[in-house]
This record gives sequence, structure tokens and C-alpha cells, in this order.
Amino acid sequence: AQKITQTQPGMFVQEKEAVTLDCTYDTSDPSYGLFWYKQPSSGEMIFLIYQGSYDQQNATEGRYSLNFQKARKSANLVISASQLGDSAMYFCASGFGNEKLTFGTGTRLTIIP
Amino acid sequence: EPEVTQTPSHQVTQMGQEVILRCVPISNHLYFYWYRQILGQKVEFLVSFYNNEISEKSEIFDDQFSVERPDGSNFTLKIRSTKLEDSAMYFCASRRDSSLNTEAFFGQGTRLTVV
Repeated sequence: AQKITQTQPGMFVQEKEAVTLDCTYDTSDPSYGLFWYKQPSSGEMIFLIYQGSYDQQNATEGRYSLNFQKARKSANLVISASQLGDSAMYFCASGFGNEKLTFGTGTRLTIIP
Repeated sequence: EPEVTQTPSHQVTQMGQEVILRCVPISNHLYFYWYRQILGQKVEFLVSFYNNEISEKSEIFDDQFSVERPDGSNFTLKIRSTKLEDSAMYFCASRRDSSLNTEAFFGQGTRLTVV
């Protein structure tokens, strides 16, 4: 079965520190994509970063980077220099070779000033 | 920047009533989706739509649900007879194509409250 696991229901991080949000996945497909979305309190889903299963390098987008460890089936999101505006729910998701996205349960990140 | 637009942002309806949630996907996108998120829970896939027909649907998407693309721009989700458990945030999403590295763009959601 296709499954995304996020084991951290909530995290508190001091402003300006880096934070790692964990995500593991379970698939037997050789090709897949991994996505991270941010959901602020207003409710919308904001795309952050993507990692393809065949990508040789870890994805980076500004302060966001993805620590992709294929053998461990993990795709952790790293946010550097956290800001108050980073406080939100973060969802890891994957499209396992088909079109739909399967989401994890999310991690609520709170940045402390 | 192009975006997915959903209306209304919040709808309150009585149990048993029909509701139609509306979405305008990004204009050059080909694949359309509905997801829902019950309060405090994860985002769940409902249905995907391509080339004017459903390409995949989940167990949640039973006979009470239907989708339609009535014109070239709108993509609607209809719930025929709402139940209390249909209360959730409903997200529309669109993708340019089905390749793995194409992200899905989400609308801001419609919060449906069934009373």
C-alpha cells in the first residue's frame, strides 16, 4: 500500500534556528515524486518543494531543502533560518507514479520569537 | 501569477440539501482534482478528472458525489444530499500534466459546514 508517514504531530522551534520535518514513504514503484506543502492557519495549500525519485541531487528552493535518502525512503524537509511566518501545518505528499497525491498526517510547526 | 480559484470560501448548508462547490483551475492545466480535509485530519483524495471524464476516484467518492466541467473554465463538485460527516474543507487542484515533477496547484479551499 502507498503510504506517507509524518511522525511529528507538532514542533516548537526558536526563530532563526533550522528545523527538520520528517517524512517517510512506502512504495514499490521505481518512479515517484515527493512534495511538501505548507498550510497556514488561513487554510490554503502552498506548494514548497519537489523531489523526484531519480533526481541525483537534493532539491532546494530558497530556505527550503529536501534531505532525500532513497535507501531509507525518507524525504525530510529542512527549513533554514526559520521565521515567524513559517508557523503552519506542513504536509508531505507523493504521487506514486499516478496522478493523485497521497498526503501524510502533517506536522504543526510553531516558531517561537 | 495564475491561481486556482474556489467559490464560495465558506458554505453552510442543512443536512440533506444539495451543494455545488465551484472551482476555476489554471487555464492551461489538463488535470483536475478534488480533495477534502476534515478538520484536524489529513488531506484525502476524492476524484481526478481528465479529458472530460473521471480518471480515478476514491472510496469516499460515492454516488452522492459528482463532478462536472460544464464549460471550458469551471470544475464543480456536487454533493446531492449532504450529511453531517461531509463537513470539511474541500480543495480543488489542477496540474499542467501528469508527469511526476509537475506540482498540483491548490485553490484556497471551500469550508463546508453541514448542520
